[in-house]
Parts: sequence; structure tokens; C-alpha cells
Amino acid sequence: GAGVSQSPRYKVAKRGQDVALRCDPISGHVSLFWYQQALGQGPEFLTYFQNEAQLDKSGLPSDRFFAERPEGSVSTLKIQRTQQEDSAVYLCASSRSGQGADEQYFGPGTRLTVT
Amino acid sequence: AQTVTQSQPEMSVQEAETVTLSCTYDTSENNYYLFWYKQPPSRQMILVIRQEAYKQQNATENRFSVNFQKAAKSFSLKISDSQLGDTAMYFCAFMKGAGNMLTFGGGTRLMVKP
Repeated sequence: GAGVSQSPRYKVAKRGQDVALRCDPISGHVSLFWYQQALGQGPEFLTYFQNEAQLDKSGLPSDRFFAERPEGSVSTLKIQRTQQEDSAVYLCASSRSGQGADEQYFGPGTRLTVT
Repeated sequence: AQTVTQSQPEMSVQEAETVTLSCTYDTSENNYYLFWYKQPPSRQMILVIRQEAYKQQNATENRFSVNFQKAAKSFSLKISDSQLGDTAMYFCAFMKGAGNMLTFGGGTRLMVKP
């Protein structure tokens, strides 16, 4: 079946612009995670949904970052008034049940460059 | 908070040989899971192997195996019979409890040479 997809794959934004990044998880997957991966580093957790409920947003770096998953499937990560330090690859991952050592399936990421 | 450390930024191995990637972690949790993920140049992260902390037996998946030392908080990955397709970034990751977020190490870039 289809894996996790993300769009756009690449986004260039001028500093101060708002951006919206989309994640389509694997159909039926309950849990959805967003991670930020700076160049040459490991991914860092941003936020986590179980169905439509945002259970953890402790990793969001500022109030300019906002995520939603209104119908428990597609999720959008929005960044307002982008700054240069927001440049990174944003990874989305989904898992089946959110229980046990469920594998997280990752999308290809959206590479955001803020100029 | 949990931390994951990968002390080898880069490694190389000849095709068909064996290589071991190191990972240590710090946690006060007793119930957790450990993972190795592979990220090829295309950037899509793929699970290589997982280990439940309550299991004493080391996990194996074909050419991939781990050496899990719970007391030492060490979780190394051994790749046997290395193949060119194993060239990638490898990330060690920690999950507290079940169904939670992953905490990743900084990664090890592995190059398999022909």
C-alpha cells in the first residue's frame, strides 16, 4: 500500500512569510508525529497526534509553530513569520496503534529553506 | 529527559565485511524501546531493527543484529556481510514507554566501499 506522503517536497520562503506543510499518513494509522531535522543532525520531535487529538506539543520551538489533524488523518504543520533558523527538513511519521514498539513509518520530508 | 549519543560521526567498511555502530543512551526509565533507523541519501527513514528493553535476548534481522547492554545503557548495531546498499546515515533512537515519540542520536554516516 501507499506509504506516508508529504507535500511540498521543497519549499523556499522569504523571511516573514507563512508556510503550510502537509502530511498524508498511511491509511488507518492512529498516531502521527512531526519531527524537525537540521542539516547533518538527527531528527528532533515537534508534536504528536493520536487520531485528531494533539497529545504532545512540547517540541514546538515557538508559538509560531502550529499543527493540526482535524479529521484524524491528514495533518498540517504551519509556521508563521518564518525565520532563517526554521530552515530544516520537516519529517512526518505515522504508526498503526500507538501501542508497544510500533514502527513509525516516515515520509520523505519537506525541505524548507528560508531566505 | 532522555539523551542518545552516537560517538562515531562517520565510518567506512569494505563490501562483505562486518561493521559495528555504537550508541549509548541515558534514561531513568525502566520501560522503553530502542531502534536503529537507516536514512539513505533519498532521505526516507527506514526501520532496521528494534529492541524491547525488557527482553534480554538481542534482536536480529537477517544481516543486522544488536548488542543490547541494559546496565551499561549501550545499544550497538552490527552489520554483517556489508553491501553497497547499506551506505546511509544510521540513527539510534529511544522511545519511552509505548507509542511515544522517538529521541534520536546525531547519526553515523556509513560508507560501504567496493
